[in-house]
Amino acid sequence: GQQVMQIPQYQHVQEGEDFTTYCNSSTTLSNIQWYKQRPGGHPVFLIQLVKSGEVKKQKRLTFQFGEAKKNSSLHITATQTTDVGTYFCAGYHEKLTFGTGTRLTIIP
Amino acid sequence: KAGVTQTPRYLIKTRGQQVTLSCSPISGHRSVSWYQQTPGQGLQFLFEYFSETQRNKGNFPGRFSGRQFSNSRSEMNVSTLELGDSALYLCASTPGQGPYEQYFGPGTRLTVT
Repeated sequence: GQQVMQIPQYQHVQEGEDFTTYCNSSTTLSNIQWYKQRPGGHPVFLIQLVKSGEVKKQKRLTFQFGEAKKNSSLHITATQTTDVGTYFCAGYHEKLTFGTGTRLTIIP
Repeated sequence: KAGVTQTPRYLIKTRGQQVTLSCSPISGHRSVSWYQQTPGQGLQFLFEYFSETQRNKGNFPGRFSGRQFSNSRSEMNVSTLELGDSALYLCASTPGQGPYEQYFGPGTRLTVT
């Protein structure tokens, strides 16, 4: 079945440093979604990418969808303590499959 | 609009018992999906319901079942509980089937002792 892997599993960064999480699918995707889950909370939708090679930005967050539509990345510039949480990608191919998540912790 | 609601929020059960969890989607949403979240396994898809029919099912044993009512509310049931069933159970609603963004509820924290 479809598998979606994310790396790294954990990332600890100093506040102000950049952060990137990578998402890889075993199958070609129709689209990819990104979610953020704060500690003790539930996943909250961030963005959806549909087109091959698409790049979208939300303030300090940059999302990219690979040319082959099998991988994606989320990059955060100059992390802040509010960025703490687990970031999930979710790839859609007949159904939505969530990635394994990357837990980001910030060292003040 | 009110968000997705789940009841109960917390539950403690003993091995061998069964449990029923409830999810009320956002008004107008007709699709409900259920996920199990554990620290080591991330978000595991259980099943998806649309118009009272199960449309997709994850790789879980038959002890896990669900249903959807005509008002789109959904329930999931776990029978013969095992310690490994301790997890956060999340439901998410979308307007319909397809690659819509998922609106998650706060989850039900189930502890099996």
